[in-house]
Parts: sequence; C-alpha cells; structure tokens
Amino acid sequence: QMQLQESGPGLVKPSETLSLTCTVSGDSISRSGFFWAWIRQPPGKGLEWIASISFGGDTDYNPSLKSRLSMSLETSKNQFSLTISSVTAADTAVYFCARDNFSRGGFPTDLWGHGTLVTVSS
Amino acid sequence: SYVLTQPPSVSVAPGQTATIICGGNNIGSKSVNWLQQKPGQAPVLVVYADKDRPSGIPERFSGSNSGSTATLSISRVEAGDEADYYCQVWEGSDDYVGYVFGTGTKVTVL
Repeated sequence: QMQLQESGPGLVKPSETLSLTCTVSGDSISRSGFFWAWIRQPPGKGLEWIASISFGGDTDYNPSLKSRLSMSLETSKNQFSLTISSVTAADTAVYFCARDNFSRGGFPTDLWGHGTLVTVSS
Repeated sequence: SYVLTQPPSVSVAPGQTATIICGGNNIGSKSVNWLQQKPGQAPVLVVYADKDRPSGIPERFSGSNSGSTATLSISRVEAGDEADYYCQVWEGSDDYVGYVFGTGTKVTVL
C-alpha cells in the first residue's frame, strides 16, 4: 500500500528558500498514470494547489507562485521535492505531498501525506 | 483562473441529508472531485469524476454535477461526517493548467 511522507525544516526565515521532500513507499514513483503534487493549507484556511510533476518529470505550477517554485523527481530515492524561494509570512502553512491519479476520471488527488507545518519567521 | 465557490458552512441533524454545493462557471462541463478533511488530518477523497466513490467510501456519499453547480450529498448523516469538504477540479485551459480547490464547506452535525 503506497504511502507518502513529507519532510521539511519546520521553521524558515523570511527571504530564505524553503525545501521540502516527499518520500514515497510501497510502490515506484515512476509508475505511469500518477502525477505527484504539493498542496498547502495556511492555518485556519483552505487548500491551495502549488505544483504537480509527472512520472516523466514534466511540471505544472500554480501561476501565482510559479516565479518562486521548482519541483523535481529523484526516482533513485523514490522521492520528489519542492523549493520555494524568497519566502514570506504568507508562506506559513501545512504543506502536503500527494498523488494525482491520472488513470481515474477527474484526475483526483487520491492519496495524501500527513502534512508538515512550515512557519516563516525571523 | 477558474474559481470554485462553496458556502462556508452547512448544519444538519443526525440521520438527515447534508447537501454541499460547489459553484463554478459551466462546472457541469468539468469533472469534479470531493475531499473530506477532519481537524488535524489530511484530506481524504470521497467522490471523484462527479459521482464515483473510491473503495471504502460509504454509499451514503454521492455526487452530481450539472450546469453551474456540483453537489455532494451525504445521506443518513452521522457524527463522524463532521468535517470540512472541498470540491476540486483539474483545469486545462490556455491561461491555467493545474488544480483548483473550492473554498471549503464546514459540515456541522447538530
């Protein structure tokens, strides 16, 4: 059974770069039909899609964040990663990694990690 | 980009039916997914492609989609259904490629 687990710094200073990693267990990250995603949720607020990457490495980014984002796959480690540059307090959120299932109608995000809280503060 | 609007809250008595709506421009032409999120937990997919249920999701959860509104219905509501619910669509247009989430609806079981 596939599982996802986020890892990250917990606390990042304003203007610095946030780096997050998601480790996938139970199956290969290279399986066709799946994309891999990052979604965030500021405290007390709703969900915001950040980015997705295909098993082949093609990326889609939220236009509102695109200039600060970079997402990558590391297939040898069965991991994918996200960096957000020039962070501000507005980037404080729980960050979830997740699986987008492109083999199902609607392409649902159907498997999620538990989430990791990232706070941006000096 | 595409906008999905949900009512902030819905209240329902146990045993009754909760109806959660998701409004968007011509949403009936898109495929809508629904996620349930309980406090402190990650979201869980409860309906995908307008009306299909993943394995393990009770038949009490059903979806529909037409015109400018998609709907998630929860029949015979239980205390354990109290959660935030989000609609989701994948949008692939000239100016936006990616996912859009609705604003979320908090379901309270009275």
